[in-house]
Amino acid sequence: DSGVTQTPKHLITATGQRVTLRCSPRSGDLSVYWYQQSLDQGLQFLIQYYNGEERAKGNILERFSAQQFPDLHSELNLSSLELGDSALYFCASSVSTGGDTGELFFGEGSRLTVL
Amino acid sequence: GESVGLHLPTLSVQEGDNSIINCAYSNSASDYFIWYKQESGKGPQFIIDIRSNMDKRQGQRVTVLLNKTVKHLSLQIAATQPGDSAVYFCAENIVGGAQKLVFGQGTRLTINP
Repeated sequence: DSGVTQTPKHLITATGQRVTLRCSPRSGDLSVYWYQQSLDQGLQFLIQYYNGEERAKGNILERFSAQQFPDLHSELNLSSLELGDSALYFCASSVSTGGDTGELFFGEGSRLTVL
Repeated sequence: GESVGLHLPTLSVQEGDNSIINCAYSNSASDYFIWYKQESGKGPQFIIDIRSNMDKRQGQRVTVLLNKTVKHLSLQIAATQPGDSAVYFCAENIVGGAQKLVFGQGTRLTINP
């Protein structure tokens, strides 16, 4: 158990819909990262937050947005869903306060299926 | 641009043999590298990391080698066990740069009994 909690574990929805994925980082970790993993693909970095503020942005679509709340949990919002958005979405956290990323602790992921 | 890739998408080894998983990176500014293991249905799990001021780092049954000249990273697993079956990802980071890890495509390691 990494200490990172993601909900829901599975989600099935239709094209055009909007979903919210939730992540609770490990206790004490200030940084939260979101990654997308498509079938047989590597992990694509989406976005990072540190202590409530956006720190880095990757290949995140404009239809996607995220935020980190004062209690440090984070939500990833996916809107106007398309079939190609079906993937595993991972949240990770670290104690990183700067410099290198350090060890990331990943949650179990949220599997999104868009029909 | 940034890219991290793996030479082989799959690797099969006999139980008890040593495994070597390779990774090539193209960003010469990357100075921190991590290997992750992802078992089926689970999130990636940290195995070992190495900074660019090192050539080799050893852990428990695992060794990471870094060759900055050819931008190559490898993970050696000694005496592989069935529990080592997983997908292995290398990832790179630029210390002090954007706080993100760039992951490779992954190598699926299968252990044959």
